[in-house]
Amino acid sequence: DSGVTQTPKHLITATGQRVTLRCSPRSGDLSVYWYQQSLDQGLQFLIQYYNGEERAKGNILERFSAQQFPDLHSELNLSSLELGDSALYFCASSVADSQDGEAFFGQGTRLTVV
Amino acid sequence: GQNIDQPTEMTATEGAIVQINCTYQTSGFNGLFWYQQHAGEAPTFLSYNVLDGLEEKGRFSSFLSRSKGYSYLLLKELQMKDSASYLCAVPYGGYNKLIFGAGTRLAVHP
Repeated sequence: DSGVTQTPKHLITATGQRVTLRCSPRSGDLSVYWYQQSLDQGLQFLIQYYNGEERAKGNILERFSAQQFPDLHSELNLSSLELGDSALYFCASSVADSQDGEAFFGQGTRLTVV
Repeated sequence: GQNIDQPTEMTATEGAIVQINCTYQTSGFNGLFWYQQHAGEAPTFLSYNVLDGLEEKGRFSSFLSRSKGYSYLLLKELQMKDSASYLCAVPYGGYNKLIFGAGTRLAVHP
């Protein structure tokens, strides 16, 4: 158990809908990173928050947004869902504002868009 | 730009040694990570190399050559539970973003 909690574990929804994925980082970790892993794309960095502020952005679609709350949990919002958004979404956390050391991954949320 | 290459699949025998290679191209080097990922599960950290040379950690070792843009992960005394994907990753855009290779799927046979 990495100490990073993601909910829900599985989510099935229809095209055009909106979903929210939740992540609670390890106790004491200030950084939260979101990744998308699909079969044909591998693990792709989406976005990072550090202590409530956005710090880095990857290839995140405009239909996707995220935030980190004062209690440091984070939510990833996916809207106008398309079939191609079906993937595993991972959250990772670390103490520092950078990935120059170990980051701990949650078990992921498997999103299926039908 | 950033680019990472790893073999797609490898097979090995229980008890043997296997070496998984990774070549990378990056503008500015900030270290190289290896992660292990079992199917459908979260990636778990194996190693982080910043300097050239071999770092050993139990049955797993990781090597880095910055001048050649090359790293490898060495797994000794293979066990069935080592069957997993092994992901090579480098930070880009400073330290905050990680770009992952597609991963090498290792199958360990009895």
